[in-house]
Amino acid sequence: EADIYQTPRYLVIGTGKKITLECSQTMGHDKMYWYQQDPGMELHLIHYSYGVNSTEKGDLSSESTVSRIRTEHFPLTLESARPSHTSQYLCASSESETGVLDEQYFGPGTRLTVT
Amino acid sequence: KNQVEQSPQSLIILEGKNCTLQCNYTVSPFSNLRWYKQDTGRGPVSLTIMTFSENTKSNGRYTATLDADTKQSSLHITASQLSDSASYICVVSDRGSTLGRLYFGRGTQLTVWP
Repeated sequence: EADIYQTPRYLVIGTGKKITLECSQTMGHDKMYWYQQDPGMELHLIHYSYGVNSTEKGDLSSESTVSRIRTEHFPLTLESARPSHTSQYLCASSESETGVLDEQYFGPGTRLTVT
Repeated sequence: KNQVEQSPQSLIILEGKNCTLQCNYTVSPFSNLRWYKQDTGRGPVSLTIMTFSENTKSNGRYTATLDADTKQSSLHITASQLSDSASYICVVSDRGSTLGRLYFGRGTQLTVWP
């Protein structure tokens, strides 16, 4: 089992609240990712980072923001939550130098419900 | 358009039986293909990764095959167990960018009944 952690595992919050989803890994990986997954649907990349102070938007447009101040920590923030943000959010990490394989290790996910 | 299609969408089998899940992709250029197992409420866990030159890879009771010419892959599960109940996701990586982007299928939901 990979050493990548997400908190909280479940969150129910009202519209307009600011939330931060935490993700941390103890493997020393440079690359980290945030995915969004709705039930029965594929994962969509919303943010990624190559290392400290590096963040990029992914393929799926998202109103969330991320930061990478420390290698092991990659939090995701929603300034004003809306019901459309209800989803499962998965964090992942991978080594920076693994050739073509670049295996990603996933955290357990945060199930977010905005009422 | 780069896509990954999986079939069937869902599958129910009895414990001890074998099953095969299918994955067709149109991703180009191709780097590697992965199969992940995702338990309900958990993150995906890697089962196998295959590059262009590999046509079969096993991980215990899981055997993946890859035909890069027809752009098809399959995941065969032997002697299924109740713990095999999960979503199985096919993921294809390209080399069209420095990120090595991953394309995810929607998964096959497998249920194993006692």
